[in-house]
Amino acid sequence: GESVGLHLPTLSVQEGDNSIINCAYSNSASDYFIWYKQESGKGPQFIIDIRSNMDKRQGQRVTVLLNKTVKHLSLQIAATQPGDSAVYFCAENMGTSYGKLTFGQGTILTVHP
Amino acid sequence: DSGVTQTPKHLITATGQRVTLRCSPRSGDLSVYWYQQSLDQGLQFLIHYYNGEERAKGNILERFSAQQFPDLHSELNLSSLELGDSALYFCASSVDIVTGELFFGEGSRLTVL
Repeated sequence: GESVGLHLPTLSVQEGDNSIINCAYSNSASDYFIWYKQESGKGPQFIIDIRSNMDKRQGQRVTVLLNKTVKHLSLQIAATQPGDSAVYFCAENMGTSYGKLTFGQGTILTVHP
Repeated sequence: DSGVTQTPKHLITATGQRVTLRCSPRSGDLSVYWYQQSLDQGLQFLIHYYNGEERAKGNILERFSAQQFPDLHSELNLSSLELGDSALYFCASSVDIVTGELFFGEGSRLTVL
């Protein structure tokens, strides 16, 4: 049969705005969550992680929020810059081999100067 | 630069053939992971090796195999190639198995004609 490519959600923001990227994860048994960024032509790059015993974690210009009740994860980027333009993936893990990650489909973030 | 080196960067081959993808992890990292990225399936975990031993397997086809050598470099062997195997294959490494902070290489793009 014909294969259908993934249709990624997109988010377009102006430089300096705050960005919020959302992710619905699939497995209620997942207890570790990670956000990755992938720029064109490169491999994914780790941004931030959060374990299920937390509901918020902050990094440099980024905040991850976890709502286990509705299985929702979000990544907030403050003062978004053109260099933040990339595909953002959430990933989940059930805590056995921590690098065995189930990635979401990704969100394309475009930052306009 | 993540410190993970993958070769070759690009590979074009025919159906039925066999290829080997090579990965050198970051210095000191004992864990190596292989992921496949395709348009229709997204980023999919294939296999994880830690210090030479297989630790976790994903939905890796029987035609695919991997190993990690004593010097910690890893190879992913893909045989009896089919058109659908065309994808980006990423190697990632981490210092241990209790983190989802993986360092990805730039990938090997395989095209099967």
